[in-house]
Amino acid sequence: GAGVSQSPRYKVAKRGQDVALRCDPISGHVSLFWYQQALGQGPEFLTYFQNEAQLDKSGLPSDRFFAERPEGSVSTLKIQRTQQEDSAVYLCAASGRLNTEAFFGQGTRLTVV
Amino acid sequence: QKEVEQDPGPLSVPEGAIVSLNCTYSNSAFQYFMWYRQYSRKGPELLMYTYSSGNKEDGRFTAQVDKSSKYISLFIRDSQPSDSATYLCAMSGYQAGTALIFGKGTTLSVSS
Repeated sequence: GAGVSQSPRYKVAKRGQDVALRCDPISGHVSLFWYQQALGQGPEFLTYFQNEAQLDKSGLPSDRFFAERPEGSVSTLKIQRTQQEDSAVYLCAASGRLNTEAFFGQGTRLTVV
Repeated sequence: QKEVEQDPGPLSVPEGAIVSLNCTYSNSAFQYFMWYRQYSRKGPELLMYTYSSGNKEDGRFTAQVDKSSKYISLFIRDSQPSDSATYLCAMSGYQAGTALIFGKGTTLSVSS
């Protein structure tokens, strides 16, 4: 997506390992979303930031999932004690004032073995 | 029942065909309706969005929203092999920061 960079592109983790996924939107994107996309499914909402404030984390599936955006730009999604069901593509989307301007990164494909 | 329903296909058409992709939804609070295209191992790319009911045209693509029926469509005219991808419908409320609710996506294959 235009200007949204995610790293790593691929991550293989052993079950129980902690992982950190990074999203780097272009400057000026006030809103930042994390989504989880399982194989053959549409993206599902995880959490939302407006600048540095995490305003909605209702989609996080468990307390093993944690996200932060301390300076209102780069965001990190952390998953502790990964489980096989965490295997998915994690997408970051950033937008200006309207959801209609949302641009997605290429995603991080997480495989837990 | 999920908030947004979309037939996953797959849908296979010959080059030049008109393609119709559809979604239904249950939440009458949705105000923005979007179509994303997703190539394999890539992030979703915004194709078009529509606010409330009506039609919107952009080149070979036409998006339609019928709020009374809670039904949205994307038409692709003169389909090309490069249109082969998964098409995701997405919807949200009016407020900024409202999460997008996606359908499962329809996989389209256009053969030359």
